[in-house]
Amino acid sequence: EIVLTQSPGTLSLSPGERATLSCRASQSISSNYLAWYQQKPGQAPRLLIYVASSRATGVPDRFSGSGSGTDFTLTINRLEPEDFGVYYCQQYGSLMLTFGGGTKVEIK
Amino acid sequence: EVQLVESGGGLVQPGGSLRLSCEASGFTFSSYAMDWVRQAPGKGLEWVSAISGSGDNTFHADSVKGRFTISRDNSRNTLYLQMNSLTAEDTAIYYCAKDDNVDAPRAYFDYWGQGTLVTVSS
Repeated sequence: EIVLTQSPGTLSLSPGERATLSCRASQSISSNYLAWYQQKPGQAPRLLIYVASSRATGVPDRFSGSGSGTDFTLTINRLEPEDFGVYYCQQYGSLMLTFGGGTKVEIK
Repeated sequence: EVQLVESGGGLVQPGGSLRLSCEASGFTFSSYAMDWVRQAPGKGLEWVSAISGSGDNTFHADSVKGRFTISRDNSRNTLYLQMNSLTAEDTAIYYCAKDDNVDAPRAYFDYWGQGTLVTVSS
């Protein structure tokens, strides 16, 4: 099983700042099959990024994904009030899908 | 518009059984693999099960293998999760999620339902 470790656990930032979220895998992820999701309280997760760097339909371009192998990053430029929530990475390069523990982005 | 609507959650005693359903609309159901993902109260996301578009191939997380069974009825555009021998550790919101392709399980989830809560308690 590929273990995904997200850091930091919580990120306290102000609107307009840049958020940098990390997702580290216990082994290399095949074909960079890594996705990022945003979840707000009481809501289902929403797909943001797939195959490490491709934005999902309707996702603003202030969201960007990067990385390969075992180290991946989600960057949110110019944080908007609606961007606060919990972000999860997920790998789908192996038969057993796994999620990271999440990073909470909160208003400072 | 893609819609996924789960049902069947509720309170069940330890050792009991429950069947969840997920009714899909807005896309060609049989052309996409589907999954169940759960989230324990205040915790993160955990993948549970996946099924290919045809229903021929199924996959389960080790934590539910032998107890849970995923299935689908493409004529009814409905996904199911049969859950047996439930324990308190199975208490969670269960989401159904649409895969980005017909094969399972290597996929990300482009659409999610709103979830159904399963509580296992005496």
